[in-house]
This record gives sequence, structure tokens and C-alpha cells, in this order.
Amino acid sequence: GAVVSQHPSRVICKSGTSVKIECRSLDFQATTMFWYRQFPKKSLMLMATSNEGSKATYEQGVEKDKFLINHASLTLSTLTVTSAHPEDSSFYICSAPNFAQGVNKETQYFGPGTRLLVL
Amino acid sequence: GESVGLHLPTLSVQEGDNSIINCAYSNSASDYFIWYKQESGKGPQFIIDIRSNMDKRQGQRVTVLLNKTVKHLSLQIAATQPGDSAVYFCAENGGSQGNLIFGKGTKLSVKP
Repeated sequence: GAVVSQHPSRVICKSGTSVKIECRSLDFQATTMFWYRQFPKKSLMLMATSNEGSKATYEQGVEKDKFLINHASLTLSTLTVTSAHPEDSSFYICSAPNFAQGVNKETQYFGPGTRLLVL
Repeated sequence: GESVGLHLPTLSVQEGDNSIINCAYSNSASDYFIWYKQESGKGPQFIIDIRSNMDKRQGQRVTVLLNKTVKHLSLQIAATQPGDSAVYFCAENGGSQGNLIFGKGTKLSVKP
């Protein structure tokens, strides 16, 4: 099956600093990746859609200048939380569909998540 | 089942019993549904999926039922084991960006 990795798995940072989270598709190309945020005991909420070769699409209420997304290649998307504050502490998860021929493109493969704690 | 509220619905079952987890989905135009299992501190893991042209699909120890009339999904786990303890989410493909829309989730606790 398709594998998606995330790095780092957890990060602790001081308020005001920026944090970069990487999402990689290891054995398939991902022209689209999705970034979700999950608060404790809550469901996954879509933040933005990362598209290779074009700008990311952000969901309503998500600040694009705060959550910078760069889809650097067909296997890598990065989410940078700029000037992080304690309320940004959350579990960030990426996912990607596999558009390869013969593969169900609607199945999303999820990364293991990144736990961000802002002090 | 699900409820609108601050806390995750919890289902507690005895090891060996069958579990039924329910989900109400939101978009009547959705035609593909997935159940995910999420263990603490991990990303969602695919369990089983179903298309809207079916009302039942079986996997190994799991069965998904779809009732499009009332926009309802259920996940049945046979002979529940302690390793099944996790939060279970249903998801539908009705997102405007091709993304999945997730349900609220149900926490399954299996008592040995």
C-alpha cells in the first residue's frame, strides 16, 4: 500500500517561532496533499489543499499567511506554522490520494501526524 | 452512536463481543465512504470502504453497512479484540477540494 510519512513526529517550540512540518509520499507521486488539524478528542478538520505547481487552497477561517504551504515536488508538501502561539498547539496530519493508474484515487493515505506544542 | 457535543462518543464492549459503530454523514452527493481507525497519537488507518452503489461490504472481521436513505453508515466488528481499541471515524468523499469529510468519531474501548 501507499505510504505517507511526516517529519517531525513531535515538536515543542517557543511562542513566536516558526515550525516547518514535512509530508512525504514514499512510494507514489502525490500531486495533491491535504493538511488536517486535530484537537484532542475531536475529529480531523481540513485546513488546506496543497497542489503541486500551484497555490494552496485554504479552508474558511484558516489564515494563509500563518500556515504557509509549499508543494515543493511530487512527493513533498510542507506546512510552516509562522509565529506560532499556544493556541496553534495541535496534531497536524497530512494525507494524499494516489492517482496512479488502476488505483482508487479516492482512497486517502494518511501520515502518522505531527504533535505541535507551543509554549 | 454520534451526538453533537464536546466529548467523543464512547462504546465499551467486552472482548469477544461484536461491536457496532454508527455514523451519520452530511453530503447526500457523497458516493464513497471509508472507515478509519485512529490509535492514540497516530494517523488514521484505513479499515474498509464502500461505494454508494452497494449497501453492504465485508472484510476480515469487519462489515460496513450503508443506508443512503437516511445517510447512515455503520461499522460492525466481529469478535472484538483489545487491539481494536481506538477511535473510529467515518469519512465521505463530499469535500469541495476532493478531500474527505470526517465524522465526529467514536471511541471504542474493549474490556478484557
